[in-house]
Amino acid sequence: DAGVIQSPRHEVTEMGQEVTLRCKPISGHNSLFWYRQTMMRGLELLIYFNNNVPIDDSGMPEDRFSAKMPNASFSTLKIQPSEPRDSAVYFCASSLEAAGTGELFFGEGSRLTVL
Amino acid sequence: AQSVAQPEDQVNVAEGNPLTVKCTYSVSGNPYLFWYVQYPNRGLQFLLKYITGDNLVKGSYGFEAEFNKSQTSFHLKKPSALVSDSALYFCAVRDPILTGGGNKLTFGTGTQLKVEL
Repeated sequence: DAGVIQSPRHEVTEMGQEVTLRCKPISGHNSLFWYRQTMMRGLELLIYFNNNVPIDDSGMPEDRFSAKMPNASFSTLKIQPSEPRDSAVYFCASSLEAAGTGELFFGEGSRLTVL
Repeated sequence: AQSVAQPEDQVNVAEGNPLTVKCTYSVSGNPYLFWYVQYPNRGLQFLLKYITGDNLVKGSYGFEAEFNKSQTSFHLKKPSALVSDSALYFCAVRDPILTGGGNKLTFGTGTQLKVEL
C-alpha cells in the first residue's frame, strides 16, 4: 500500500493568501484525522472524520480553517486567509476504526510557511 | 477528558544501555495506550499498543512498554539502545468510554531521545 499521501510537501505563501492542503488516506480506512505540529504547541488534533462525516472539529483554531471529506479517498484542509501564525507542519492520518483499537497511519506532512 | 503526560522533554542514553521514556495517563475508564516515533522531517510511525491482556507489550525495533494500572503509567523501554533510536517519541491515549465513534487519540508533548556513542 502507498500509505497516506499528502500534498504539497512544502508550501510557502504570503499572508492573506488561501492555502489548500490535500490528503489521500489508505484505501479501506474509515477514519481520517488532521493534526498540526509546532514547536510551541506540539501535536494538536484539528478535526477528524469517521466514514466521511466530521465527528469532532473542536480543535479547528478559528473560522479561517475549514476541512472537507467529499469521499472516502480524499480530504482537504483549507486556510483562508492565511496568517504567519499558521506556519506549522500539518499531518493527515487515517485509521481503520475497530472499536478504537486501531493505530493511526500518518502521512509525511505538509510544511506550511506563511510570510 | 483523556490526557497523557510525558514528564521529560529529552532523554539521553549511551548506546548499548537500557532506555526508558516515561508516560502517565488519565482516563475515565480502561485506557487504550499507544507509542509512536517521529524521525526528523517524517510523519509519526506506530510502535506498539496496549488494549488488554498482558501488561508487557512488545513492538517494533525491539521496543516494549509496560502497562501499570495502579501507577497509571505506560513507560516505553528498550534493553539496549542504538544510535538509530534517536528520535522524538510520543505517547497517546484513547478513552473507549468516549462517545461519538471514531478513533480520537490524545498525544503527549513528546520526548526527544538522544542515543550517543
